[in-house]
Amino acid sequence: VLTQSPATLSLSPGDRATLSCRASQTISNYLAWYQQKPGQAPRLLIYGTSTRATGIPARFSGSGSGTDFTLTISSLEAEDFAVYYCQQRNKWPPGFTFGQGTKLEIK
Amino acid sequence: VQLVESGGGLVKPGGSLRLSCAASGFTFSGYNMNWVRQAPGKGLEWVASISLSSSHIDYADSVKGRFTVSRDNAKNLLYLQMNSLNDDDTAVYYCARLGHNYESLGYRFEYWGQGTLVTVSS
Repeated sequence: VLTQSPATLSLSPGDRATLSCRASQTISNYLAWYQQKPGQAPRLLIYGTSTRATGIPARFSGSGSGTDFTLTISSLEAEDFAVYYCQQRNKWPPGFTFGQGTKLEIK
Repeated sequence: VQLVESGGGLVKPGGSLRLSCAASGFTFSGYNMNWVRQAPGKGLEWVASISLSSSHIDYADSVKGRFTVSRDNAKNLLYLQMNSLNDDDTAVYYCARLGHNYESLGYRFEYWGQGTLVTVSS
């Protein structure tokens, strides 16, 4: 199980955003993060805990290990307000699990 | 890379539907493919995964025994056969490509289609 917090984060452009994803058991450093805007498919931001996907701006960074992982957006821009999901590969049963999401909204 | 889903629509409880995902812009046979769904206003739920040659297939417990994933590498097509549909299956269904070298780089869905909506209702 992946638990994301907070459920909703209200910030202003230029703020620093810190999103948390906690696993119920230790996972390998295979955590990924996605951004989803209304009416759009998710977009991969970070994989392998800290590697930015192609074309993702440097203001997005990922960190963590064990059970605690973080997505940080260093200085929010208008287009960053969206829902963010973390994702892991399960040990058992086979498959993948997503967190329930954090909605990043404009304050 | 382009992934285009089709086949969604309105179906009655207990009915069946087959989704397709047409892949282009990459060597389809070289990638693990997946279905991920999203119920209205809800989060993402992984549904099924199929390996390059279809030798390894996994399903979420919520669809096991009812859904079947398959692929046609000659036609660059991914399928999801959905039987015994119920209200809980109402969702947008996305096909998604798993990134290469996932065992060393990490398991991630690097490309997604735009999704196709399946509505189960009487």
